[in-house]
Amino acid sequence: DVKVTQSSRYLVKRTGEKVFLECVQDMDHENMFWYRQDPGLGLRLIYFSYDVKMKEKGDIPEGYSVSREKKERFSLILESASTNQTSMYLCASTAYTNYGYTFGSGTRLTVV
Amino acid sequence: AQSVTQLDSQVPVFEEAPVELRCNYSSSVSVYLFWYVQYPNQGLQLLLKYLSGSTLVKGINGFEAEFNKSQTSFHLRKPSVHISDTAEYFCAVRTVSDQGGKLIFGQGTELSVKP
Repeated sequence: DVKVTQSSRYLVKRTGEKVFLECVQDMDHENMFWYRQDPGLGLRLIYFSYDVKMKEKGDIPEGYSVSREKKERFSLILESASTNQTSMYLCASTAYTNYGYTFGSGTRLTVV
Repeated sequence: AQSVTQLDSQVPVFEEAPVELRCNYSSSVSVYLFWYVQYPNQGLQLLLKYLSGSTLVKGINGFEAEFNKSQTSFHLRKPSVHISDTAEYFCAVRTVSDQGGKLIFGQGTELSVKP
């Protein structure tokens, strides 16, 4: 089975800190995605990547950046964390030939 | 652009009763449709998908969904629910032409099964 691993389940950071959320997949998938999940809003796409060193903005990229230096790893960066970035962050991956995502377990980030 | 609307934010139901979770989508191009389930403190897992062919799609855990192109709907159903079906359910859509597979999700429906 494909595994998507997010490095932390729970994270507490201070306002203004630079935060790194890491995601690693082990099935050589080309495509990787970062979503945030908030009650009543569902999942909203932050950034995605179809290849190494490639990135594209999703629907809510403000305040975030990403890095994909290796195919298996896709990092989400909060340049200067703010309280409105408190949320559940979900990473997902898929191959070109697949029709659905494999999700990680999520990172619940609290910014205080 | 595509969009997905899940018509009910919460659905309470008694054990062994039937349930329907409603999903409507909007798109000017051909789409694939998905239902995902999220159990507490977990990521999402795929329940079922519609790609083409028969409009009635069967998934895991006894769930099924029907694609209705004229009504742009993809409602999820189960004839008899269990306590263990308590979870949040997400409908999602992607365009057929998008090779990258970017999914657009609905707002989610919380299914609460009571004994």
